[in-house]
Amino acid sequence: QVQLQESGPGLVKPSQTLSLSCTVSGGSISTSPYYWSWIRHPAGKGLEWIGRIYVGGSPNYSPSLKSRVTISVDPSKNQFSLSLSSVTAADTALYYCARGSSTGGFDYWGPGTLVTVSS
Amino acid sequence: DIQMTQSPSSLSASVGDRVTITCRASQDISKYLAWYQHKPGKAPKLLIYVASTLQSGVPSRFSGTGSGTDFTLTITSLQPEDVATYYCQKYSNAPLTFGPGTEVSIK
Repeated sequence: QVQLQESGPGLVKPSQTLSLSCTVSGGSISTSPYYWSWIRHPAGKGLEWIGRIYVGGSPNYSPSLKSRVTISVDPSKNQFSLSLSSVTAADTALYYCARGSSTGGFDYWGPGTLVTVSS
Repeated sequence: DIQMTQSPSSLSASVGDRVTITCRASQDISKYLAWYQHKPGKAPKLLIYVASTLQSGVPSRFSGTGSGTDFTLTITSLQPEDVATYYCQKYSNAPLTFGPGTEVSIK
């Protein structure tokens, strides 16, 4: 059974960089045909896809966040990471990591981690 | 980029009612569409992929149809545990956009 777990600071100051990691267990992050994504859910709003990465491939990002986002993967740790720079209060959200595939959407999700942007 | 819309934005129905949610893509996405159920405090749950394939373990009262630009999610007999927000999502190519969601409640 694949499991994902987000980790990282729950509080980030405005203008700083938000950094989260997602640890995958129960399977290899390098297994095809899967990719690994970050998705967020601001309170009172809908789900927002942030970006994805395949092991050995180039990442894809949401156009609205592209200038501030970096997603990377570390197969040796079975982890992938999110970096979001120059954060504002609008980046306060529940952040999820998830596994996706070209055949079937996001089938496994982490429980989510709340990140608050505040001084 | 392809935009996703959903209607209605919210609905209220009685237990046992048939509920239908519509999702529309601004361009042809073939059948690369998934539906998710999202309850407060929980991670979203994949219900349907490739527009009409039921994810393992999902009750058979959920079904999906459509291709191209128009898709529907149907709950044939609404149950109290189905109270949630439902999202469609395209995964034909990046960006992997979600629809704005449909909030389902019980009358």
